[in-house]
Amino acid sequence: EIVLTQSPATLSLSPGERATLSCRASQSVSSYLAWYQQKLGQAPRLLIYEASNRATGIPDRFSASGSGTDFTLTISSLEPEDFAVFYCHQRSNWPYTFGQGTKLEIK
Amino acid sequence: EMQLVESGGGLAQPGGSLRLSCVDPGFTFSKNWMHWVRQAPGKGLVWVSGMSGDGSFTKYADSVKGRFTISRDNAKNTLYLQMNSLRTEDTALYYCVSGTGGYYFWGQGALVTVSS
Repeated sequence: EIVLTQSPATLSLSPGERATLSCRASQSVSSYLAWYQQKLGQAPRLLIYEASNRATGIPDRFSASGSGTDFTLTISSLEPEDFAVFYCHQRSNWPYTFGQGTKLEIK
Repeated sequence: EMQLVESGGGLAQPGGSLRLSCVDPGFTFSKNWMHWVRQAPGKGLVWVSGMSGDGSFTKYADSVKGRFTISRDNAKNTLYLQMNSLRTEDTALYYCVSGTGGYYFWGQGALVTVSS
């Protein structure tokens, strides 16, 4: 089973700042990695698929990069509505797995 | 925006069974892989199971293999998850999800509570 390790566990930033979230896979997942945002009490929302492609309707302040084992999600300038929990997810190997999440909180 | 609709959650005793259903109102149900993802209270997301569009391929997380069975009825645009030999650690909100490349579509979740 591929283990996805996200860092940091919690990130405290202010609106307007830049956020950088990391996801590291225990073995290569090629580009079959997605990022999800989950706000309290809501279902997750797809942000990024296949490592770097923004999903429909996602603002361009969200960007992502990486391939193989190291991936990054960047939010260029935080808006108040961006604070949430973020998960990475690999669909390269069965069983599919999620990272444990990074909580992005307001400083 | 298409929304999947789950049903069938509830309270079960350890060792008991429940069956979840998920209706997809879209027009491409039979073409899509469908999956179940769960989230225990206050915890992260866990992929549980997936099934190909024609039902010929099924996959499971190790934690549910041999206890849970995924199935689908393409004539009814419905996905199922039969959960047997339930354990307290199966307590979670179960989401039905689908999408190409990523899970674009999510249901509201079906709450399963396993407790004596």
